[in-house]
Order: sequence, then structure tokens, then C-alpha cells
Amino acid sequence: GALVYQYPRRTICKSGTSMRMECQAVGFQATSVAWYRQSPQKTFELIALSTVNSAIKYEQNFTQEKFPISHPNLSFSSMTVLNAYLEDRGLYLCGAREGGEQYFGPGTRLTVL
Amino acid sequence: GEKVEQHESTLSVREGDSAVINCTYTDTASSYFPWYKQEAGKGLHFVIDIRSNVDRKQSQRLIVLLDKKAKRFSLHITATQPEDSAIYFCAASINNAGAKLTFGGGTRLTVRP
Repeated sequence: GALVYQYPRRTICKSGTSMRMECQAVGFQATSVAWYRQSPQKTFELIALSTVNSAIKYEQNFTQEKFPISHPNLSFSSMTVLNAYLEDRGLYLCGAREGGEQYFGPGTRLTVL
Repeated sequence: GEKVEQHESTLSVREGDSAVINCTYTDTASSYFPWYKQEAGKGLHFVIDIRSNVDRKQSQRLIVLLDKKAKRFSLHITATQPEDSAIYFCAASINNAGAKLTFGGGTRLTVRP
């Protein structure tokens, strides 16, 4: 079956430092990968959408300079949170799609001290 | 851009009763409407979806209704069980396969034994 793994599941970083998270699609080839963030007590916001053979598209309020994404092949994507501050804390979800349904990973929970 | 509103932020029902969660959306171009479940401290788990070419879909105890004219869709959980307790998120996408999802604010469903 189709699975999406995310690593790490939880991480803590000091304010002003950076943190990289990974997303792996298993059992299917992800034609697109979307990164979302759920801030405390809030819903999920789309950060960026990465589609095969297209440039990565960032949503308003999110930039490549702050959240650089690498999507080197159809099964792997990584995103870094640069200079993390308190407002960056939350659950970061990776959603990978193979043409039909979007499968979500369990998320990386980021705590910023 | 698209806005999705989830009308009930909390919902409490007795075990065996039905639960209904309502969502509205703004973009008439939206054509794909998935529902997700989030249990405490976890990521998103796909529940059921509906596409704009139908107005009703059922999967076991779950029924999704779509009213395109009113730009409204709803999730009905029949014969609720305590394990149905979770936060439910509705979402909408203009892409039929849901590459870019706009989420509602979430409904915390509690099923009382």
C-alpha cells in the first residue's frame, strides 16, 4: 500500500537555528509533494507545492528563503525551516500525491525554545 | 483564494447517534472535497472524499453530501462509536486530485459512551 514517512517525528531547536525535515513516499511515485503547517490551535496552511517538472510554488506568507525545499526524485522531499522562531512551531505535514488521492505522513512536530 | 469554513468547532454526541459536520467553500471552481481525521498528537488520516460530479457518497458508516449550488458539503457519521472521537477537517481543492488543499478549521468530535 501507499505510505508516507516523515522524519524526524519530533524535534526541538533553539530560537534562531535551523531544522531540516524529510518526507519519503513508499509504495508509489509521488508526482507532487505538498508541505503544510499546523500552528498550535489552528488549521493546516499550505506552505508550498512541489510538482514533478515544475518549479516549487510557495504560498503567500511562505518563502523559499525561509523554507527551502528539495525534491530530487519521485519518492523523496525535504524542507528546512531556517532561523526558526516561536511562530514557526507546530506540526509540519507532508502530503504526497501519485495522481489520485493525497497521502499524508504523520508529521514532524517542531518545538522552538 | 479559496476559503473553507467549518461551522462546528466542537460537537458532542452520544454513542450510537449520528454526527454531522458542515463545511462551506467560496471558490466555485473547487471540485474535490476530502475529509481527514486527526487523533491526539498525530497527523492526518484520510476518511472519505467526494468529487463534484456526484452529490452523495457513502462508505460504511460515513456519508458525504455535496451541494454545489450552496457551496456546501457535509460529513455524516452514523452509529457513532467512541473511537470516532477525533478532530475532523474538511478541505477543498480546485484540482480534482487535491494537490493543493484548503482546510477548514477543524471540528472536535466527542462521542460519549
